[in-house]
Amino acid sequence: GDSVTQTEGQVALSEEDFLTIHCNYSASGYPTLFWYVQYPGEGPQLLFRASRDKEKGSSRGFEATYDKGTTSFHLRKASVQESDSAVYYCALRGDYGNEKITFGAGTKLTIKP
Amino acid sequence: EAAVTQSPRNKVAVTGGKVTLSCNQTNNHNNMYWYRQDTGHGLRLIHYSYGAGSTEKGDIPDGYKASRPSQENFSLILELATPSQTSVYFCASGDRGRDTGQLYFGEGSKLTVL
Repeated sequence: GDSVTQTEGQVALSEEDFLTIHCNYSASGYPTLFWYVQYPGEGPQLLFRASRDKEKGSSRGFEATYDKGTTSFHLRKASVQESDSAVYYCALRGDYGNEKITFGAGTKLTIKP
Repeated sequence: EAAVTQSPRNKVAVTGGKVTLSCNQTNNHNNMYWYRQDTGHGLRLIHYSYGAGSTEKGDIPDGYKASRPSQENFSLILELATPSQTSVYFCASGDRGRDTGQLYFGEGSKLTVL
């Protein structure tokens, strides 16, 4: 079945550091890929999505590029702020009319001021 | 603004008891989902639905049933609750279709099974 792998369980950075959170997926065809962010006490909310090879999604300074060749959708931000502290989830929705949405294990990002 | 409401927000149950978690959405979305969230596992899909009367098994359906009596409502039922089902449960709704797929989540229901 479809799966999403996030290799970093926790990331700790200082303000203005560069962020990378790795996401690799396994699915047939062309799944739609998502990044969600979750703040304490809330449900996850969509950061952005991409549905085609080489498409870049972006929002609030975060970005990721859909790469079918390496089956990856890595999240990056050039300069993080304390307010970016949250849990980040990579997710996919299968191709071929499949409405099932699969999430990764999540990455807890902590930014030190 | 999309709205998904879960109840109860907090629940303490005894082992072997029956628990029903309810979810209501006012987005008129066709699809609804139930996930559980556990440290180290992220969000895992339990059941989902394409519309009223339909339920589909997700990745971890054992020990859970689901019911979708209407477009707006989707319930998760634990007939015989066990301590391993202690978790935070999230309901979500979403549109159908390749270029949508965005989920709108409720605020979560924290379940403790003693």
